[in-house]
Amino acid sequence: RKEVEQDPGPFNVPEGATVAFNCTYSNSASQSFFWYRQDCRKEPKLLMSVYSSGNEDGRFTAQLNRASQYISLLIRDSKLSDSATYLCVVNVPNTGNQFYFGTGTSLTVIP
Amino acid sequence: SAVISQKPSRDICQRGTSLTIQCQVDSQVTMMFWYRQQPGQSLTLIATANQGSEATYESGFVIDKFPISRPNLTFSTLTVSNMSPEDSSIYLCSVGPARHEQYFGPGTRLTVT
Repeated sequence: RKEVEQDPGPFNVPEGATVAFNCTYSNSASQSFFWYRQDCRKEPKLLMSVYSSGNEDGRFTAQLNRASQYISLLIRDSKLSDSATYLCVVNVPNTGNQFYFGTGTSLTVIP
Repeated sequence: SAVISQKPSRDICQRGTSLTIQCQVDSQVTMMFWYRQQPGQSLTLIATANQGSEATYESGFVIDKFPISRPNLTFSTLTVSNMSPEDSSIYLCSVGPARHEQYFGPGTRLTVT
């Protein structure tokens, strides 16, 4: 079983739409959670960390549900520039602090 | 966040040869990592580069194939040895404190013919 699982998509949404991505993780000892964004042929870049209480950064909202072991990312009022692959990332301290990456969810925002 | 550079940015190599990738950070960092991202796949950790000691390799990766150096707290190299077409991938170095976010270099795009 993979450590982190994501729906690969693709998600094709019109500008202004709201879109949500979910991610599940298998190791209950996971401590830290992140969403990264990866543009085509570029390196992953941190979008936001995910906290237990949930957190918001402008149009982006991240939620963590430890009981069900899933993480979500909500993007409101989608922009063309949001088109990218979104990677769910989990850190598991008892595996030597390794970071586990999901396969990514592809988003295309259409004019 | 740290500024990370990698050399080369891309290369095309013949099978059986080796390529050394350099990773330079603009500040001293404790943790430095090497990842591989094969076409259409997510990132897989190759090893953690430890300063002053041997790298710690993940399952499926061995030192003979991917020797790593970490001579100081700002620099590391990864060598891909005796390359085959299956080694065609993007190789990324990253830095970050334990349990916190990681920052990635721009990657090295390797094609083995």
